[in-house]
Parts: sequence; C-alpha cells; structure tokens
Amino acid sequence: AQKVTQAQTEISVVEKEDVTLDCVYETRDTTYYLFWYKQPPSGELVFLIRRNSFDEQNEISGRYSWNFQKSTSSFNFTITASQVVDSAVYFCALSLGAQKLVFGQGTRLTINP
Amino acid sequence: DTAVSQTPKYLVTQMGNDKSIKCEQNLGHDTMYWYKQDSKKFLKIMFSYNNKELIINETVPNRFSPKSPDKAHLNLHINSLELGDSAVYFCASSQEPAVSYEQYFGPGTRLTVT
Repeated sequence: AQKVTQAQTEISVVEKEDVTLDCVYETRDTTYYLFWYKQPPSGELVFLIRRNSFDEQNEISGRYSWNFQKSTSSFNFTITASQVVDSAVYFCALSLGAQKLVFGQGTRLTINP
Repeated sequence: DTAVSQTPKYLVTQMGNDKSIKCEQNLGHDTMYWYKQDSKKFLKIMFSYNNKELIINETVPNRFSPKSPDKAHLNLHINSLELGDSAVYFCASSQEPAVSYEQYFGPGTRLTVT
C-alpha cells in the first residue's frame, strides 16, 4: 500500500518555539519523491520542498529544515523560531510512478503570539 | 501574473444542478490535475491530463467529466450535483507527468451544494 501518515492532527505552540511536523510514508517503489505543501488560512496550496528517494541529505531553507530518513520512512519538517505567519495546515505528500500525489491528512499548526 | 487560476472561487448551487469549474495555467506545463479537498482537509486526486489526454481517473463518479480543450486548460463539469460533492476543488499543473515534478496549485473553488 502507498500511504502517507501525518499522525499529528493539530499542534499549537507559542511564537519563537521550534516545532517539528512528522511524516511517515509507505511505498514499495524504489524511486519516489516526497513533498511538503503549506495551506495558509487563505486556502491556496504552496509548494515548499521536493526530495527524491536517493537523496537523504537534510535540507535547510531559512527557518525551515527537513530531515529525510529512509530507514524509518520518515520525512519530518522543522520550523525554527516559529512565527505567527507560519500558522497553516501542512501537508506531506508522496509522488508515485502513476504521476499522482498521495497526500497525508495534514497537520494544522497554530502559532500563538 | 497568476500561474494557475480557477473560476469561480465560490460556487453555491442546489442539488441536481449541473455546474462547471474552469482552470487555466500560464506556466507552459504539459500536465494538469484536479483534486478534491473534503471538509476534513483530506486531499485526493481525481483526474490527470497530459497534453489533453486523460492519464489518471481515480474512480470518480461519471457525473464528473473533465475536459481539456488545450494543454493550458482543464475544466471540470459536474452533472446532477449531490450534497456529498460539497468540497474545495483544486486544479494543479506540473511540467511533465513524471514523478519528480512538483505540482503548482490554483487557489481552489469552494463548491457548496444545498
């Protein structure tokens, strides 16, 4: 089965705290891509990052970082020094050979001032 | 310039009606998609078109009929609307239908069936 699980339905933290969003995936494919998307309250889906199955290097972009571990089938997302503008629903997704994205259930992140 | 646009943004209609949602992308992409997001925020692919040809149809009721007049447009027509069709519908596009390309999403169309 090909599946993405985001076990944290909702997370609430105070501004400036670090927060990690978990993503666990299942696939039998050896070639696949993982993505994170952000859906702010305005509703659009914003692409954040893509990672292929052969590249386990961690990625950092400003306050955002991603940790990909094939051994645990996880692709976690950390926001450092969170800000109110980070409040959104975050989706992890798996891209398969059938050219479709399979999304996790999403994690609603609320950053309180 | 809006990369992927959808019209209308909101659509309220009664059960049994037929309605269409339009999508256009100006990114020069070959592949376009329709996704449905339900009230619990779960996103699921419905259709995918590559160069005007259907490549994915995810067991969607045949009341839903996508149409791609050219590779920049992918419209969604829904017949005999039902209450369960209420959702947000997202159009997306990607450069190619390959597993590696990220998809760019439109702003969504919130459909409410009463």
